[in-house]
Amino acid sequence: EVQLLESGGGLVQPGGSLRLSCVASGFTFSSYAMSWVRQTPGKGLEWVSGISSSGGSTYYADSVKGRFTISRDNSKNMLYLQLNSLRAEDTAVYSCVKDVRSSTSRGTFDIWGQGTMVTVSS
Amino acid sequence: QSALTQPPSASGSPGQSVTISCTGTSSDVGGYNYVSWYQQHPGKAPKLMIYEVSKRPSGVPDRFSGSKSGNTASLTVSGLQAEDEGDYYCTSYAGSNSVLFGGGTKLTVL
Repeated sequence: EVQLLESGGGLVQPGGSLRLSCVASGFTFSSYAMSWVRQTPGKGLEWVSGISSSGGSTYYADSVKGRFTISRDNSKNMLYLQLNSLRAEDTAVYSCVKDVRSSTSRGTFDIWGQGTMVTVSS
Repeated sequence: QSALTQPPSASGSPGQSVTISCTGTSSDVGGYNYVSWYQQHPGKAPKLMIYEVSKRPSGVPDRFSGSKSGNTASLTVSGLQAEDEGDYYCTSYAGSNSVLFGGGTKLTVL
């Protein structure tokens, strides 16, 4: 079964850090670009960051550039998102998503994880 | 980069057709044929329904169709069924290796 399973969310104070992880199964992880997408009740869905199949190219939304870092370990079928300098507006459910392409994402995500909740609050 | 503009809500009776719009700019929707549409039911992950403006993934009913004119993309659901009720989101490639989502449209089947 094709599956993405996220972990690592939680409650963190403003300015704090978290590392999200996503384990992939059921497909050749190393062949596809991956992204993180977040969802909040008030603002809907937002693409956060993407990474090419090899991990050699990474991309970020302006809202997180310089604070978040995406990475992957193809030997372990793992995708990561390091969240630093967290702000209240980063509070959301973060989902790991598989792209249909191997290189740069064009927003075509065919597999989604259920997400992990990140709450930034003092 | 601003989110793509979608109407907050749309509705139709069973058997009818409904169209949801997704408006961007010449830098995103109008500039590329990379518009996708997702369906989300409460508590569930989004599901890809349309990609590259008008292509349907395997398993998506042909009642779902997509199109684009200028800076506005559209999703049409024909022959509405109760299970079509849910939230619908559009995305577009926005250049410079970035992706934009729409704000979402809640589709109600009356």
